[in-house]
Amino acid sequence: AAGVIQSPRHLIKEKRETATLKCYPIPRHDTVYWYQQGPGQDPQFLISFYEKMQSDKGSIPDRFSAQQFSDYHSELNMSSLELGDSALYFCASSLPNGGLPWWGYTFGSGTRLTVV
Amino acid sequence: AQSVAQPEDQVNVAEGNPLTVKCTYSVSGNPYLFWYVQYPNRGLQFLLKYITGDNLVKGSYGFEAEFNKSQTSFHLKKPSALVSDSALYFCAVSHTSGGSYIPTFGRGTSLIVHP
Repeated sequence: AAGVIQSPRHLIKEKRETATLKCYPIPRHDTVYWYQQGPGQDPQFLISFYEKMQSDKGSIPDRFSAQQFSDYHSELNMSSLELGDSALYFCASSLPNGGLPWWGYTFGSGTRLTVV
Repeated sequence: AQSVAQPEDQVNVAEGNPLTVKCTYSVSGNPYLFWYVQYPNRGLQFLLKYITGDNLVKGSYGFEAEFNKSQTSFHLKKPSALVSDSALYFCAVSHTSGGSYIPTFGRGTSLIVHP
């Protein structure tokens, strides 16, 4: 079965550089979520999109931005990278959550970003 | 605000023995509760959820969890642990009020099953 695809799997960047992470949701899933998981930490919600519009915003730094495209894939753009941005970035997709019930996410395998 | 507590950083159990991974939560309104498992270098995999109905929820790989409203708990259980169950387990909660269903995750509990 198709899963959530994230690219790249690994990324190494230097401080102050930019990075773009991509997420391709499961077909027919039109809701995408981004999470950041630091070393030994729980996943922290960053931002979500529903039907190409931002639907919710969490602890996403101002240096980061994201968007969802017409094919429902999403990109997380990160600028002025800092050492503390080193983390595993997960994307998840779900069926529309505009109404009950909500059945949970399907997560991708993540992009491991290392800032040096 | 909603929150999740997983009081144990690590749980050790012998293969074949029952296991319990603890989770307590705090939300306003009725909770939606979830368990996810994370294997090394892999994404979070959905195990089971409680939305409404029976307090005992059965999920993937023989896992089950019991919703206890009075104790605000949702402990994950399995009658007989396997070495392959060794992984990181996350409890998550969202709520039905406020229009946002984005879940909050606990810190995670590392389950180690010894042969």
